Amino acid sequence: GENVEQHPSTLSVQEGDSAVIKCTYSDSASNYFPWYKQELGKRPQLIIDIRSNVGEKKDQRIAVTLNKTAKHFSLHITETQPEDSAVYFCAPRTNTGNQFYFGTGTSLTVIP
Amino acid sequence: NAGVTQTPKFRILKIGQSMTLQCTQDMNHNYMYWYRQDPGMGLKLIYYSVGAGITDKGEVPNGYNVSRSTTEDFPLRLELAAPSQTSVYFCASSYRAPGDTEAFFGQGTRLTVV
Repeated sequence: GENVEQHPSTLSVQEGDSAVIKCTYSDSASNYFPWYKQELGKRPQLIIDIRSNVGEKKDQRIAVTLNKTAKHFSLHITETQPEDSAVYFCAPRTNTGNQFYFGTGTSLTVIP
Repeated sequence: NAGVTQTPKFRILKIGQSMTLQCTQDMNHNYMYWYRQDPGMGLKLIYYSVGAGITDKGEVPNGYNVSRSTTEDFPLRLELAAPSQTSVYFCASSYRAPGDTEAFFGQGTRLTVV
């Protein structure tokens, strides 16, 4: 199965700074690369995703970049705000895999 | 549109008791999943289903059972509860093969075994 790692496991930034979380995966057949956000005590929710035919996607303050050759993709959050504080999970997927595995998670704290 | 609904939200079980965590979705999704999330940890896949009548094991299936008699419902059964099963349980669903679609999560069930 897919071996998924996230770095860093914890990240603290000052409000207004940028944050970057990296996800590495092992299955070269992966072609869908989503990021989920889980606020404290809440359910995970999709915040952004990218497919293998696209190198970068932006949605306001968040962006995802993909490097298929190196088998990693990253979540970028600019102008961070306290409400960005959460745990973020990556979940790379293949078209044929039925299982849905998540990365180890990154706990982001934005300090006001 | 309710999405994915889990019941109960909280439960305390004594060691050796059994219980069923309920999960239902109204989005006509074929794929459904059960995860557990221990404090400060990631999501571990327990069981999943690709359609009514079809279930399969995930990473951590021991001590659990599932069934999928309808498209909407995917209950998780705990037999002989143990303290190691203290966790938050999430049910999720997706439209088709998870290769290119979003997973929708229920609000979670916080289970404590004492």
